[in-house]
Amino acid sequence: SQTIHQWPATLVQPVGSPLSLECTVEGTSNPNLYWYRQAAGRGLQLLFYSVGIGQISSEVPQNLSASRPQDRQFILSSKKLLLSDSGFYLCAWAPNSDAPLHFGNGTRLTVT
Amino acid sequence: AQKVTQAQTEISVVEKEDVTLDCVYETRDTTYYLFWYKQPPSGELVFLIRRNSFDEQNEISGRYSWNFQKSTSSFNFTITASQVVDSAVYFCALSEARGSQGNLIFGKGTKLSVKP
Repeated sequence: SQTIHQWPATLVQPVGSPLSLECTVEGTSNPNLYWYRQAAGRGLQLLFYSVGIGQISSEVPQNLSASRPQDRQFILSSKKLLLSDSGFYLCAWAPNSDAPLHFGNGTRLTVT
Repeated sequence: AQKVTQAQTEISVVEKEDVTLDCVYETRDTTYYLFWYKQPPSGELVFLIRRNSFDEQNEISGRYSWNFQKSTSSFNFTITASQVVDSAVYFCALSEARGSQGNLIFGKGTKLSVKP
């Protein structure tokens, strides 16, 4: 069966520091991968999605970037964190663009 | 523009009561998908159901049932004989037609507390 892993589970970082959140999926190949953010007062919002290695689409302009260096690996990064980057980050996968998403356990990021 | 409204911010019930979570959506698309997800205190989003716009049949899965009505643009979720384990935040979501179901428009969620 397929499983999705996200780490770390929680992270506290100072403003201006870099960020790297990792997500991997097991038990499937060439999945669609997604990064969502759940921020207080703003609900759940799609940040990035990828339909293949090296293919990244961004949904909203922001301080973050995403990369997909391997088929089942999706990384969310920032060079310099802002206070507004605080939130709960959820990675998700789907076998194709017509299938519902399955989410990981999330990473709670606090920028201080 | 697409929009999902969950007017109930929080609901509190006593175990074994039935509870309905409301969801109203807006879209100009004639073909679309509707979803419900559950977010327990641990944080992950658990997929519950997907409905496409051409299928208005109500669905029942154990204690869960869903009522989709295009005439009122609603996709309500009922839990029968609620249990403490049902306590969670429930999200309704909408996506466009084929090929973009990863781009979900979520409602703000309804926090359900089931007390013993």
